[in-house]
Amino acid sequence: DIPMTQSPSSLSASLGDRVTITCRASQGIGIYLAWYQQKPGKVPKLLISATSALQSGVPSRFSGSGSGTDFTLTISSLQPEDVATYYCQKYDGPPLAFGGGTKVEIK
Amino acid sequence: EVQLLESGGDLVQPGESLRLSCAASGFYFSTSAMGWVRQAPGKGLEWVATFNSRTTVYADSVRGRFTISRDNSRDMLFLQINSLRAEDTAIYYCVKEGSLGYYVSWGQGTLVTVSS
Repeated sequence: DIPMTQSPSSLSASLGDRVTITCRASQGIGIYLAWYQQKPGKVPKLLISATSALQSGVPSRFSGSGSGTDFTLTISSLQPEDVATYYCQKYDGPPLAFGGGTKVEIK
Repeated sequence: EVQLLESGGDLVQPGESLRLSCAASGFYFSTSAMGWVRQAPGKGLEWVATFNSRTTVYADSVRGRFTISRDNSRDMLFLQINSLRAEDTAIYYCVKEGSLGYYVSWGQGTLVTVSS
Protein backbone atom coordinates (compact mmCIF):
# COMPACT_ATOMS: atom_id res chain seq x y z
CA ASP A 1 0.00 0.00 0.00
CA ILE A 2 1.54 3.27 -1.17
CA PRO A 3 -0.74 6.05 0.04
CA MET A 4 0.83 8.86 -2.01
CA THR A 5 2.35 8.59 -5.47
CA GLN A 6 4.30 11.52 -6.85
CA SER A 7 5.40 12.03 -10.43
CA PRO A 8 7.76 12.56 -12.01
CA SER A 9 10.52 11.49 -9.62
CA SER A 10 12.79 14.04 -11.24
CA LEU A 11 12.64 16.68 -13.93
CA SER A 12 14.93 19.10 -15.67
CA ALA A 13 13.53 22.35 -17.04
CA SER A 14 14.79 25.66 -18.35
CA LEU A 15 14.64 28.93 -16.49
CA GLY A 16 11.24 30.50 -16.98
CA ASP A 17 9.54 27.21 -17.80
CA ARG A 18 6.24 26.19 -16.28
CA VAL A 19 6.74 23.12 -14.10
CA THR A 20 4.01 20.79 -12.90
CA ILE A 21 4.35 18.05 -10.29
CA THR A 22 1.53 15.64 -9.60
CA CYS A 23 0.56 13.73 -6.48
CA ARG A 24 -2.04 10.97 -6.38
CA ALA A 25 -3.63 9.57 -3.25
CA SER A 26 -4.73 5.95 -3.10
CA GLN A 27 -8.01 7.09 -1.55
CA GLY A 28 -9.85 10.40 -1.46
CA ILE A 29 -8.37 12.89 0.99
CA GLY A 30 -10.52 15.93 0.33
CA ILE A 31 -8.22 18.94 0.25
CA TYR A 32 -5.97 17.74 3.06
CA LEU A 33 -2.78 17.96 1.09
CA ALA A 34 0.41 19.93 1.73
CA TRP A 35 3.52 20.60 -0.36
CA TYR A 36 7.06 21.03 0.96
CA GLN A 37 10.28 22.22 -0.60
CA GLN A 38 13.63 20.81 0.50
CA LYS A 39 16.70 22.50 -0.91
CA PRO A 40 19.95 20.50 -0.95
CA GLY A 41 21.33 20.10 2.56
CA LYS A 42 18.46 22.04 4.11
CA VAL A 43 15.41 21.36 6.24
CA PRO A 44 12.05 20.93 4.49
CA LYS A 45 9.90 24.03 4.25
CA LEU A 46 6.11 24.16 4.03
CA LEU A 47 4.97 25.82 0.79
CA ILE A 48 1.28 25.06 0.56
CA SER A 49 -1.40 23.65 2.87
CA ALA A 50 -5.01 22.69 2.24
CA THR A 51 -4.16 21.96 -1.42
CA SER A 52 -3.85 25.60 -2.49
CA ALA A 53 -3.16 27.88 0.51
CA LEU A 54 0.20 29.52 -0.08
CA GLN A 55 2.20 30.03 3.08
CA SER A 56 3.36 33.52 4.02
CA GLY A 57 6.51 34.52 2.16
CA VAL A 58 6.22 31.87 -0.55
CA PRO A 59 6.52 33.41 -4.03
CA SER A 60 3.30 33.66 -6.01
CA ARG A 61 4.81 31.62 -8.86
CA PHE A 62 4.00 28.58 -6.73
CA SER A 63 0.43 27.31 -6.78
CA GLY A 64 -1.46 24.18 -5.87
CA SER A 65 -4.69 22.65 -7.07
CA GLY A 66 -6.77 19.48 -6.96
CA SER A 67 -9.07 17.58 -4.65
CA GLY A 68 -9.99 14.02 -3.81
CA THR A 69 -7.17 11.89 -5.17
CA ASP A 70 -5.34 14.05 -7.71
CA PHE A 71 -3.27 17.12 -6.91
CA THR A 72 -0.74 19.33 -8.62
CA LEU A 73 2.00 21.75 -7.64
CA THR A 74 2.82 24.28 -10.34
CA ILE A 75 5.76 26.62 -10.61
CA SER A 76 4.70 29.16 -13.21
CA SER A 77 8.18 30.39 -14.11
CA LEU A 78 11.11 28.31 -12.87
CA GLN A 79 13.83 30.28 -11.07
CA PRO A 80 17.35 29.21 -10.01
CA GLU A 81 16.35 29.24 -6.34
CA ASP A 82 13.63 26.69 -7.04
CA VAL A 83 16.17 23.88 -7.43
CA ALA A 84 15.00 21.48 -4.74
CA THR A 85 13.11 18.31 -4.03
CA TYR A 86 9.38 18.75 -3.57
CA TYR A 87 7.19 16.48 -1.45
CA CYS A 88 3.45 16.19 -1.10
CA GLN A 89 1.88 15.02 2.17
CA LYS A 90 -1.61 13.85 3.03
CA TYR A 91 -2.93 14.83 6.42
CA ASP A 92 -6.54 13.72 6.41
CA GLY A 93 -5.65 11.17 9.02
CA PRO A 94 -3.03 8.54 9.81
CA PRO A 95 -0.85 7.60 8.13
CA LEU A 96 0.30 11.18 7.48
CA ALA A 97 2.16 9.94 4.43
CA PHE A 98 4.55 11.77 2.16
CA GLY A 99 4.99 11.26 -1.54
CA GLY A 100 8.31 9.96 -2.78
CA GLY A 101 9.54 13.38 -3.86
CA THR A 102 10.26 15.17 -7.14
CA LYS A 103 13.75 16.50 -7.73
CA VAL A 104 13.69 19.68 -9.82
CA GLU A 105 16.80 20.76 -11.67
CA ILE A 106 17.69 23.47 -14.17
CA LYS A 107 18.41 22.33 -17.70
CA GLU B 1 10.12 32.82 16.69
CA VAL B 2 9.46 29.09 16.75
CA GLN B 3 12.56 27.05 17.57
CA LEU B 4 12.87 23.29 17.71
CA LEU B 5 16.20 21.85 18.81
CA GLU B 6 16.72 18.11 18.59
CA SER B 7 19.37 16.12 20.42
CA GLY B 8 20.21 12.54 21.25
CA GLY B 9 21.22 11.17 17.87
CA ASP B 10 24.18 8.81 17.94
CA LEU B 11 25.93 5.84 16.34
CA VAL B 12 24.47 2.72 17.91
CA GLN B 13 24.52 -1.01 17.29
CA PRO B 14 21.52 -3.00 16.08
CA GLY B 15 19.22 -3.94 18.94
CA GLU B 16 20.18 -0.99 21.12
CA SER B 17 17.90 1.81 22.27
CA LEU B 18 18.06 5.56 21.98
CA ARG B 19 16.03 8.50 23.28
CA LEU B 20 15.72 11.57 21.13
CA SER B 21 14.75 14.93 22.61
CA CYS B 22 13.35 18.11 21.15
CA ALA B 23 13.43 21.40 23.05
CA ALA B 24 10.70 23.76 21.86
CA SER B 25 10.41 27.50 22.28
CA GLY B 26 8.62 30.50 20.82
CA PHE B 27 5.07 29.11 20.94
CA TYR B 28 2.50 27.55 23.26
CA PHE B 29 3.93 24.05 23.35
CA SER B 30 1.31 22.47 25.59
CA THR B 31 -1.51 23.20 23.12
CA SER B 32 0.44 22.28 19.99
CA ALA B 33 0.41 18.97 18.17
CA MET B 34 3.97 17.75 17.66
CA GLY B 35 5.61 14.93 15.80
CA TRP B 36 8.66 13.25 14.37
CA VAL B 37 9.56 12.81 10.72
CA ARG B 38 12.65 10.97 9.53
CA GLN B 39 14.74 10.94 6.38
CA ALA B 40 17.15 8.14 5.55
CA PRO B 41 20.36 9.20 3.79
CA GLY B 42 19.55 10.22 0.22
CA LYS B 43 15.91 9.21 0.62
CA GLY B 44 12.54 10.88 1.05
CA LEU B 45 10.57 12.00 4.07
CA GLU B 46 8.82 9.47 6.29
CA TRP B 47 6.25 10.35 8.94
CA VAL B 48 7.08 8.54 12.19
CA ALA B 49 4.74 9.62 14.97
CA THR B 50 2.41 12.35 16.16
CA PHE B 51 1.37 13.49 19.63
CA ASN B 52 -1.59 15.82 19.58
CA SER B 53 -3.40 17.10 22.65
CA ARG B 54 -3.88 13.70 24.23
CA THR B 55 -3.37 10.94 21.70
CA THR B 56 -0.41 9.36 19.98
CA VAL B 57 -0.32 7.90 16.49
CA TYR B 58 2.47 5.89 14.86
CA ALA B 59 3.52 4.78 11.42
CA ASP B 60 3.11 1.04 10.88
CA SER B 61 6.85 0.72 10.36
CA VAL B 62 7.67 1.84 13.91
CA ARG B 63 4.62 0.92 15.98
CA GLY B 64 5.62 -1.22 18.94
CA ARG B 65 9.27 -0.11 18.92
CA PHE B 66 8.97 3.67 19.04
CA THR B 67 7.27 5.72 21.76
CA ILE B 68 6.54 9.40 21.44
CA SER B 69 6.06 11.39 24.64
CA ARG B 70 6.09 14.97 25.83
CA ASP B 71 6.73 17.00 28.96
CA ASN B 72 4.59 20.11 28.72
CA SER B 73 6.12 21.54 31.91
CA ARG B 74 9.50 21.69 30.15
CA ASP B 75 8.32 22.24 26.56
CA MET B 76 10.02 19.02 25.51
CA LEU B 77 9.14 16.28 23.02
CA PHE B 78 10.75 12.85 23.09
CA LEU B 79 11.08 9.78 20.91
CA GLN B 80 12.14 6.53 22.56
CA ILE B 81 13.49 4.11 19.97
CA ASN B 82 13.98 0.48 20.95
CA SER B 83 15.40 -2.52 19.12
CA LEU B 84 17.11 -0.31 16.58
CA ARG B 85 17.58 -1.68 13.07
CA ALA B 86 19.84 -0.62 10.22
CA GLU B 87 16.79 0.71 8.39
CA ASP B 88 16.18 3.18 11.24
CA THR B 89 19.31 5.06 10.18
CA ALA B 90 18.09 8.54 9.35
CA ILE B 91 17.92 12.17 10.30
CA TYR B 92 15.06 12.57 12.75
CA TYR B 93 13.23 15.88 12.58
CA CYS B 94 11.05 17.31 15.33
CA VAL B 95 8.04 19.01 13.78
CA LYS B 96 5.29 21.33 14.92
CA GLU B 97 1.92 20.81 13.31
CA GLY B 98 -0.29 23.49 11.88
CA SER B 99 -3.96 23.47 12.58
CA LEU B 100 -4.71 20.11 11.00
CA GLY B 101 -1.61 17.95 10.57
CA TYR B 102 0.73 19.57 8.14
CA TYR B 103 4.11 20.68 9.48
CA VAL B 104 4.67 24.40 9.82
CA SER B 105 7.99 24.22 11.65
CA TRP B 106 10.93 21.84 11.49
CA GLY B 107 14.00 21.42 13.66
CA GLN B 108 17.44 20.98 12.16
CA GLY B 109 17.34 17.25 12.83
CA THR B 110 19.44 14.75 14.74
CA LEU B 111 21.24 11.88 13.04
CA VAL B 112 20.72 8.31 14.17
CA THR B 113 23.09 5.77 12.67
CA VAL B 114 22.55 2.07 13.33
CA SER B 115 25.56 -0.03 12.42
CA SER B 116 27.63 -2.83 13.84
